[in-house]
Amino acid sequence: DAKTTQPNSMESNEEEPVHLPCNHSTISGTDYIHWYRQLPSQGPEYVIHGLTSNVNNRMASLAIAEDRKSSTLILHRATLRDAAVYYCILRKSGGSNYKLTFGKGTLLTVNP
Amino acid sequence: GAGVSQSPSNKVTEKGKDVELRCDPISGHTALYWYRQSLGQGLEFLIYFQGNSAPDKSGLPSDRFSAERTGGSVSTLTIQRTQQEDSAVYLCASSSSTAVDIQYFGAGTRLSVL
Repeated sequence: DAKTTQPNSMESNEEEPVHLPCNHSTISGTDYIHWYRQLPSQGPEYVIHGLTSNVNNRMASLAIAEDRKSSTLILHRATLRDAAVYYCILRKSGGSNYKLTFGKGTLLTVNP
Repeated sequence: GAGVSQSPSNKVTEKGKDVELRCDPISGHTALYWYRQSLGQGLEFLIYFQGNSAPDKSGLPSDRFSAERTGGSVSTLTIQRTQQEDSAVYLCASSSSTAVDIQYFGAGTRLSVL
């Protein structure tokens, strides 16, 4: 499976935008980029996913580089509730690759 | 709407006892997954149910672990003769047939084996 690389930790201030990077230089053409996050003492939570085009939803935006070797999760206005570990993973579509595995992720700290 | 519900949220048991963990998936979701997460570790896949198909049990760590899914909805994970190394957070997730790539997780059951 193609690997992803994320910074171990990042810090942000409340109400400021946050850009969480992810490198995936060995991504294949059929790999979707998924982001999950895990708040303290909670189960993982799906955030967003995309293939080639940038994606927006109510939680975040996903910006995907033209060569797809990197992507950025954008939280437009960080809140204290966004403090979590963010995981960037690559998954093939179709449901056959259903075993989720997370790397170490990025621990996001949000300062009031 | 209601999300994935797991019970109990915490379970403390003595070594050698059996435990049952319950998962109520999101209504209408056909796929159900069990994972466990040890302290500071990543997700460890345990078992996958999809509709009426035979479950994928390839992640169950030993024959002390078993799981059922009755009526295509509620699932129970049973651990017999618990050991201290079974202590972990047990997570359940479900996904729908129209969005199979997105898994929705419950808050988990924290199991402590003394």
